[in-house]
Amino acid sequence: NAGVTQTPKFQVLKTGQSMTLQCAQDMNHNSMYWYRQDPGMGLRLIYYSASEGTTDKGEVPNGYNVSRLNKREFSLRLESAAPSQTSVYFCASRPRRREHTEAFFGQGTRLTVV
Amino acid sequence: GENVEQHPSTLSVQEGDSAVIKCTYSDSASNYFPWYKQELGKGPQLIIDIRSNVGEKKDQRIAVTLNKTAKHFSLHITETQPEDSAVYFCAASRGGGSNYKLTFGKGTLLTVNP
Repeated sequence: NAGVTQTPKFQVLKTGQSMTLQCAQDMNHNSMYWYRQDPGMGLRLIYYSASEGTTDKGEVPNGYNVSRLNKREFSLRLESAAPSQTSVYFCASRPRRREHTEAFFGQGTRLTVV
Repeated sequence: GENVEQHPSTLSVQEGDSAVIKCTYSDSASNYFPWYKQELGKGPQLIIDIRSNVGEKKDQRIAVTLNKTAKHFSLHITETQPEDSAVYFCAASRGGGSNYKLTFGKGTLLTVNP
């Protein structure tokens, strides 16, 4: 199994450009998440989707939109990229159960906005 | 919302020594505390977790302790090896199902010197 796959792995954008980060999981997980990782800031939740058809804001949603395309795929869109969105983006997924379960992370997308 | 503080931000030990990383959390309703290891260029991977009904959990050279009264939990790595070198993140969460949102600490860069 591939687990959680993110594309692209690297991207450079000019300020004002738009792009979509793709995430797909093959573990039949209900819940999916987008995090950003900045030096000294840890991982911060941008948006999440508890199940297919639902999305909710996390800690730092401004400047982003998401789409839960189907159970497998959860995309993150930057409509007008800004230098402050330079970061490493991680997608994660987990089964939705009453008890806590492990979240599986992708390899990340390193985005630079110039 | 939840706030997770993690210390130290960097830790350097000699091979064979023990390493301890400490975290505190603010939300008394948090009941799940995972630890993730992130190797260079990769996504975080769960190494151990603990639930609020347990005070300590061990898995070979790794152990986690939880003090609910003081709202802090710690990761202990014994007999450290060079392959333990990585960034370690603690996290906290309340609830399960759709309430599952991990709040991460800022990370600890552990270096194990041969």
